[in-house]
Amino acid sequence: DAGVIQSPRHEVTEMGQEVTLRCKPISGHNSLFWYRQTMMRGLELLIYFNNNVPIDDSGMPEDRFSAKMPNASFSTLKIQPSEPRDSAVYFCASSFRSEAGELFFGEGSRLTVL
Amino acid sequence: KQEVTQIPAALSVPEGENLVLNCSFTDSAIYNLQWFRQDPGKGLTSLLLIQSSQREQTSGRLNASLDKSSGRSTLYIAASQPGDSATYLCAPDSGNTPLVFGKGTRLSVIA
Repeated sequence: DAGVIQSPRHEVTEMGQEVTLRCKPISGHNSLFWYRQTMMRGLELLIYFNNNVPIDDSGMPEDRFSAKMPNASFSTLKIQPSEPRDSAVYFCASSFRSEAGELFFGEGSRLTVL
Repeated sequence: KQEVTQIPAALSVPEGENLVLNCSFTDSAIYNLQWFRQDPGKGLTSLLLIQSSQREQTSGRLNASLDKSSGRSTLYIAASQPGDSATYLCAPDSGNTPLVFGKGTRLSVIA
């Protein structure tokens, strides 16, 4: 299996622009997670899905952030409008189930907002 | 709410040393605990997963132990090598919420 695939790997954009990050989970996994990593705060959960349904989005910073999972093999995280404080590495991860299941991470999308 | 602390935050050792990384967590009602490795610019790779019924788990030179009642886990690395240099993160799994991560221990093994 190719593992969790994220794109783009790097994104540099200007403040106010829309950013869309993409994730393809491991085939057969039914849980998908979006995390954000910064030096100051470490890894923070933004949102997670079970069977394509959003379960908990309490970690989403504000209304500028939205996430979708239209099918079992694709998810997007969108930031509109982007701000410099959104600069971070965004990770997508998947597991067979959300509870007590081994978690597999993608390589991450490094976002820089100027 | 689960809180995870990893000590030390950074560690530098000469090649060949045995070392211990510590992880403590506040909610001991967990199903399992995972240790991950993260190389610079990369994602997290799962190293070991210890079920709550287990006391320890071994993979090669790595040994992870779990004391659920005291909210502690340790990762023991034997005969460290420069290739072990990375950040190591622990994540207890409470079963009803996604993993909560510590901030990690940044390990440098000097040749």
